[in-house]
Amino acid sequence: SQKIEQNSEALNIQEGKTATLTCNYTNYSPAYLQWYRQDPGRGPVFLLLIRENEKEKRKERLKVTFDTTLKQSLFHITASQPADSATYLCALPNTGFQKLVFGTGTRLLVSP
Amino acid sequence: NAGVTQTPKFQVLKTGQSMTLQCAQDMNHEYMSWYRQDPGMGLRLIHYSVGAGITDQGEVPNGYNVSRSTTEDFPLRLLSAAPSQTSVYFCASSGTGVGSGNTIYFGEGSWLTVV
Repeated sequence: SQKIEQNSEALNIQEGKTATLTCNYTNYSPAYLQWYRQDPGRGPVFLLLIRENEKEKRKERLKVTFDTTLKQSLFHITASQPADSATYLCALPNTGFQKLVFGTGTRLLVSP
Repeated sequence: NAGVTQTPKFQVLKTGQSMTLQCAQDMNHEYMSWYRQDPGMGLRLIHYSVGAGITDQGEVPNGYNVSRSTTEDFPLRLLSAAPSQTSVYFCASSGTGVGSGNTIYFGEGSWLTVV
């Protein structure tokens, strides 16, 4: 069956460190993968998209990698700040359909 | 721009009642969708639309109806509310759909409790 897996346990790190979140998928062949941020009580907000022919994408302190052989994407936040504390969701398209499928998200807590 | 606007923000329904969650977007997006989000389940697609007059089912469509008479609006109807429909509902829109990787813009959510 098709699955998107993100670590359900919260990730606790100290301010200034690099946070690394993982998104693994099975039985998908996505043309791209997206990452979203969701704050409590709010809707998800788009952060980054990486396509299947791209190994790495950067935006300010964010970096995303995409390994289609391992079926895995890593999401990095460098020099993390308490304001980065949120839940981060990965999403990919269901092949052949106009459907974006989401992982359950990983909660990141950055302490001062 | 207002983006994606959902109403109401909070609603309590009795089992068996019907109601409509409203969603409007002002970005002239062709693609609109409804998700529900439950603890441990993530966001699950209920219905989506690729343009006015065109709708299709998502992952969890049972108990919900949609219609798309205009580009701007995409209401979600609960026909006969059940406690299992207690959830947070998000409406989302995208320029021309998700196939090419267009960004999806989400509304702020509607918290529904069915008692």
